[in-house]
Amino acid sequence: EDKVVQSPLSLVVHEGDTVTLNCSYEVTNFRSLLWYKQEKKAPTFLFMLTSSGIEKKSGRLSSILDKKELFSILNITATQTGDSAVYLCAVDHAGGTSYGKLTFGQGTILTVHP
Amino acid sequence: GAGVSQSPSNKVTEKGKDVELRCDPISGHTALYWYRQSLGQGLEFLIYFQGNSAPDKSGLPSDRFSAERTGGSVSTLTIQRTQQEDSAVYLCASSLWGTGNLHFGNGTRLTVT
Repeated sequence: EDKVVQSPLSLVVHEGDTVTLNCSYEVTNFRSLLWYKQEKKAPTFLFMLTSSGIEKKSGRLSSILDKKELFSILNITATQTGDSAVYLCAVDHAGGTSYGKLTFGQGTILTVHP
Repeated sequence: GAGVSQSPSNKVTEKGKDVELRCDPISGHTALYWYRQSLGQGLEFLIYFQGNSAPDKSGLPSDRFSAERTGGSVSTLTIQRTQQEDSAVYLCASSLWGTGNLHFGNGTRLTVT
């Protein structure tokens, strides 16, 4: 059975801290791993990772994939209260010419206190 | 431009009734997806439409669930004879084909009483 597991399930930090969120997976036909941020309603796209060892970076957020060990991490440096959200990891493992059939992890609830 | 639009945003229905949820994808996005987010279950894939190809219905939980996509644009997810376990947020997403980068709508929160 395809599985995506995130840890920790929740995390409480103070502004300025650095956090690392983890995602491990076991799927067939791996295509890519995606990170989303969900605040109130719609998950919003952060990163898509397809190759091992190449870091993707956007401002204070960065992510990397290890396809040998089947995991990814999402780092957030100098956290701000606006980073408080649920962070979702998902794996696209559709076969053939299909894309976007994602298996999601349970999410990590991040709370950043002022 | 406009994002993915879903309606209604909230729907309360009685057990046994049918409901229709609507999704208007981003213009030009050929792929459309329905996902469900339940408390304690996370996001689950339901169905996927890509262009004129037959939809991938492998995530639909029962034959009470069906979906259509008319004219390659708007999609409707129909749940017949609703049950309490159908209560969830139903999220629609769209993407350009071949990208896998899904843009989600705000969802329809369905409550079955």
